[in-house]
Amino acid sequence: ELKVEQNPLFLSMQEGKNYTIYCNYSTTSDRLYWYRQDPGKSLESLFVLLSNGAVKQEGRLMASLDTKARLSTLHITAAVHDLSATYFCAVGRTGTASKLTFGTGTRLQVTL
Amino acid sequence: NAGVTQTPKFQVLKTGQSMTLQCAQDMNHEYMSWYRQDPGMGLRLIHYSVGAGITDQGEVPNGYNVSRSTTEDFPLRLLSAAPSQTSVYFCASIWGDYFGPGTRLLVL
Repeated sequence: ELKVEQNPLFLSMQEGKNYTIYCNYSTTSDRLYWYRQDPGKSLESLFVLLSNGAVKQEGRLMASLDTKARLSTLHITAAVHDLSATYFCAVGRTGTASKLTFGTGTRLQVTL
Repeated sequence: NAGVTQTPKFQVLKTGQSMTLQCAQDMNHEYMSWYRQDPGMGLRLIHYSVGAGITDQGEVPNGYNVSRSTTEDFPLRLLSAAPSQTSVYFCASIWGDYFGPGTRLLVL
């Protein structure tokens, strides 16, 4: 059974600081998503990582994937208040009919 | 394209009532899924479909039924609502590339 652990669950950080959110998963997988969710809204896909060593960046967010360690990271550079949201990672495996297993989410609060 | 649409946006039910949550997509995607989101638990897969006429159970299927008569539509049915089914429900197509806006369900 695929399990996904995300930490920390809550992160309060000051504007301008850097931090990393971690996503560990338990079995071989070949597809990892990072999502952003604002309160009362749906999920917004940020990154899809499909291969070992994949790194993607968008603005102040950078995601990476290490399939051997079964670990993905979401790095936040010089945080700004607009990044305050809940971030989820989700893991899937080809051949499993598009099923995703989600982490419990990291609630990020960026203070001024 | 309208993407993935869901109706209703919000619903209040009494225990024992039945209802259908609607999900539709206009992108001709074969794969569609239903998830529920509860506080502190992330999203959990309820049912999924790999094409018209083919559905299967996910992690938390009890109390829910699905059918897939067309590629476009993937409704989720609650036969006898229970307070434990109070949640936010999301429909998605193609892995998690497209999520619907969600349906908030409150069961009293």
